[in-house]
Amino acid sequence: ETGVTQTPRHLVMGMTNKKSLKCEQHLGHNAMYWYKQSAKKPLELMFVYNFKEQTENNSVPSRFSPECPNSSHLFLHLHTLQPEDSALYLCASSQETYGYTFGSGTRLTVV
Amino acid sequence: AQSVTQLDSQVPVFEEAPVELRCNYSSSVSVYLFWYVQYPNQGLQLLLKYLSGSTLVESINGFEAEFNKSQTSFHLRKPSVHISDTAEYFCAVRASGAGSYQLTFGKGTKLSVIP
Repeated sequence: ETGVTQTPRHLVMGMTNKKSLKCEQHLGHNAMYWYKQSAKKPLELMFVYNFKEQTENNSVPSRFSPECPNSSHLFLHLHTLQPEDSALYLCASSQETYGYTFGSGTRLTVV
Repeated sequence: AQSVTQLDSQVPVFEEAPVELRCNYSSSVSVYLFWYVQYPNQGLQLLLKYLSGSTLVESINGFEAEFNKSQTSFHLRKPSVHISDTAEYFCAVRASGAGSYQLTFGKGTKLSVIP
């Protein structure tokens, strides 16, 4: 375990489904992030939360909805996704001078 | 704002040969630098980091990187690679000021070690 736990590891969903990705860290970090990693494309920062407050939304479509109920948990709610949204979704956390600690990711397939 | 350029998208190398993965950055302020490694179907793992002090930093598995401020580079090297080093490597940079916690990543370099 890396200290950041993501569930589920794999998810297959239809375009009309609603699902949620979960991220949990107990490292005492105060910032959490969602990244999207697609084949042949660089890491895309989606959302940043600092002390539970969203500080960045990188023009992400509204079919992705983040939620950060406390500094240890981060969710990504998904609805009416498109096949091009299939990717590895990575959660990370950080604390000031240190680098990020990443979870193992959720491999999402939209059918 | 910072940016990172990883000049090689793929690097094939024979087992036990040396390797260098190149990383250049741009920033108007002082920076911290990081290398991450991603094995297939896994998240990114921190390999090594430069925060301050000695410009040469080492990882526990034989990789090293040298911060070169004049050339704005942070190349990753290993004198002898193993099959298990096959992975994708990401260079990242962030401003060193307080509250500047957001990393900027390069596009990654896929290292393939050939038996």
